[in-house]
Amino acid sequence: GENVEQHPSTLSVQEGDSAVIKCTYSDSASNYFPWYKQELGKRPQLIIDIRSNVGEKKDQRIAVTLNKTAKHFSLHITETQPEDSAVYFCAAITSNQFYFGTGTSLTVIP
Amino acid sequence: GAVVSQHPSWVICKSGTSVKIECRSLDFQATTMFWYRQFPKQSLMLMATSNEGSKATYEQGVEKDKFLINHASLTLSTLTVTSAHPEDSSFYICSASVGSSYNSPLHFGNGTRLTVT
Repeated sequence: GENVEQHPSTLSVQEGDSAVIKCTYSDSASNYFPWYKQELGKRPQLIIDIRSNVGEKKDQRIAVTLNKTAKHFSLHITETQPEDSAVYFCAAITSNQFYFGTGTSLTVIP
Repeated sequence: GAVVSQHPSWVICKSGTSVKIECRSLDFQATTMFWYRQFPKQSLMLMATSNEGSKATYEQGVEKDKFLINHASLTLSTLTVTSAHPEDSSFYICSASVGSSYNSPLHFGNGTRLTVT
């Protein structure tokens, strides 16, 4: 089956700096890669996603890049704000099943 | 957008009792729903895939007799934790997707905080 690894597990940045979270996957059949943000005690919410026919996607301060050859994808948050503090999960979809990364706890220091 | 409603949001029960958690897709039909368990500061752990009109598919290590799943309609799946014990205390979350989950984002319920005393 698929194996999704996510790094780092914790990340602290100063407000205004950029944050990058990386995920790798093992199944070359995976072709959909969403990112979820989960605030403490709340549901994960989709923040951005990318499909395998695209190398990069951007939505305001958030961007995702995908390298299918190397089987890794990354989340980039620019100009971080305190409200960006949360746990972020990547996921890879293959064979009609979602495989989640282990999560990254992001703290933005004001 | 697609809304998934989960109820209750929190429940406290005594050891040995059973607890039912409901997951509803409010504005779309969900052939497939997913149930997860999440421990503090950890990732979502898929417990089972709930299929409308058929038996659920359980992940390895998940006791199907303990975590009963019923997906009786296209908008409702239930998870029943039977004979709950303190180690079952956790955050349970359901999710569903519009259309085929192969290329559609998941929409999550608000989760249920279960505490077994």
